[in-house]
Amino acid sequence: ILNVEQSPQSLHVQEGDSTNFTCSFPSSNFYALHWYRWETAKSPEALFVMTLNGDEKKKGRISATLNTKEGYSYLYIKGSQPEDSATYLCAFSSGGSYIPTFGRGTSLIVHP
Amino acid sequence: ETGVTQTPRHLVMGMTNKKSLKCEQHLGHNAMYWYKQSAKKPLELMFVYNFKEQTENNSVPSRFSPECPNSSHLFLHLHTLQPEDSALYLCASSQDLAGGTNEQFFGPGTRLTVL
Repeated sequence: ILNVEQSPQSLHVQEGDSTNFTCSFPSSNFYALHWYRWETAKSPEALFVMTLNGDEKKKGRISATLNTKEGYSYLYIKGSQPEDSATYLCAFSSGGSYIPTFGRGTSLIVHP
Repeated sequence: ETGVTQTPRHLVMGMTNKKSLKCEQHLGHNAMYWYKQSAKKPLELMFVYNFKEQTENNSVPSRFSPECPNSSHLFLHLHTLQPEDSALYLCASSQDLAGGTNEQFFGPGTRLTVL
């Protein structure tokens, strides 16, 4: 069983604040890491897929970094807006399996 | 619009009932998945189909029975469920099996309550 941990479990910030959260995964036999955004009452949507150590991805105000040697990825949101409120999931794949293992997610609430 | 639809969105059933969940994707994908989301737990993979063939059964009890008649449709047949089976059931699809760079596209889920 692969252990994928996300922290913090939940986060409340004010509009305009920048924030970040972490996904930790086994550092051996890395294959890929996915980030998903899941708004309440909607479907999870893919944000990023990361495959190489040192990868940095950006989509608007959201960016992510990857460190496969130490087994973590950070997701950053710059200038949070209420519409960023969602649960952010990461999913890790090892070379031994084509099926990703999901973390429990970080629930972000941005207050106007 | 994700291109993956699920029906029904909500389902309440008794422990002796038989019901089915339906998932449909119009994305031309070859792989489809069933996940279970229980409160405070990570998404839990149940079944995987690739080109209509089941490739993964993650030790799911036999009261859950999947069916994939073609690459666009996936069913989850339910019978004699237990109250602890109450959860959100998500369907997803991907171009191929999702371990590498293929992202998964999710449906909105079916919220199941077993009385």
